[in-house]
Amino acid sequence: DAGVTQSPTHLIKTRGQQVTLRCSPKSGHDTVSWYQQALGQGPQFIFQYYEEEERQRGNFPDRFSGHQFPNYSSELNVNALLLGDSALYLCASSLVFRSSYEQYFGPGTRLTVT
Amino acid sequence: AQKVTQAQTEISVVEKEDVTLDCVYETRDTTYYLFWYKQPPSGELVFLIRRNSFDEQNEISGRYSWNFQKSTSSFNFTITASQVVDSAVYFCALSDNSNSGYALNFGKGTSLLVTP
Repeated sequence: DAGVTQSPTHLIKTRGQQVTLRCSPKSGHDTVSWYQQALGQGPQFIFQYYEEEERQRGNFPDRFSGHQFPNYSSELNVNALLLGDSALYLCASSLVFRSSYEQYFGPGTRLTVT
Repeated sequence: AQKVTQAQTEISVVEKEDVTLDCVYETRDTTYYLFWYKQPPSGELVFLIRRNSFDEQNEISGRYSWNFQKSTSSFNFTITASQVVDSAVYFCALSDNSNSGYALNFGKGTSLLVTP
């Protein structure tokens, strides 16, 4: 049973550039959420996708956008990168119709902005 | 307002000691879910437990146990006879029907170090 996968593992970008991160959900899951985890902090919710639409959004600027594909995989895009965007980006998948909203996380993508 | 508070930033214990990680939460919803996740140095968050607001029964899973008390808005996690492999950052999280729907609101985590 494949778990949540993310790519790439690590990424180094320059301030002002754009980046795309990818996530494949756990088998059988149809909902993908993205979280940003700064060093020494807990993960913070960015947004959630279900049925190819953004369903919920946290307190993140429009520079952060996403997409969900028909196979439930998802992308996170960040434009005009700032040094403060350096963080571990975690993808989580869940089965939205389960009342528990239990989320399983991938290994994350470590983004460094220089 | 912070919804999940993990007051203990770092805890260090010697192997075989028992350790309790504290979690205090805040919500106005009557239906909510509480979680504990473990984050080893590799970075991947590992799901440990989910508890809904209507079930205050304590739970035990091997060396792990959880104490949920609505009266004090706490959901504490105890590791009995700790082992070096328990060294990790532990996060408590709350999921409720707030501005971000049922997204997970994490505490800042407690770093646990178990030494031989």
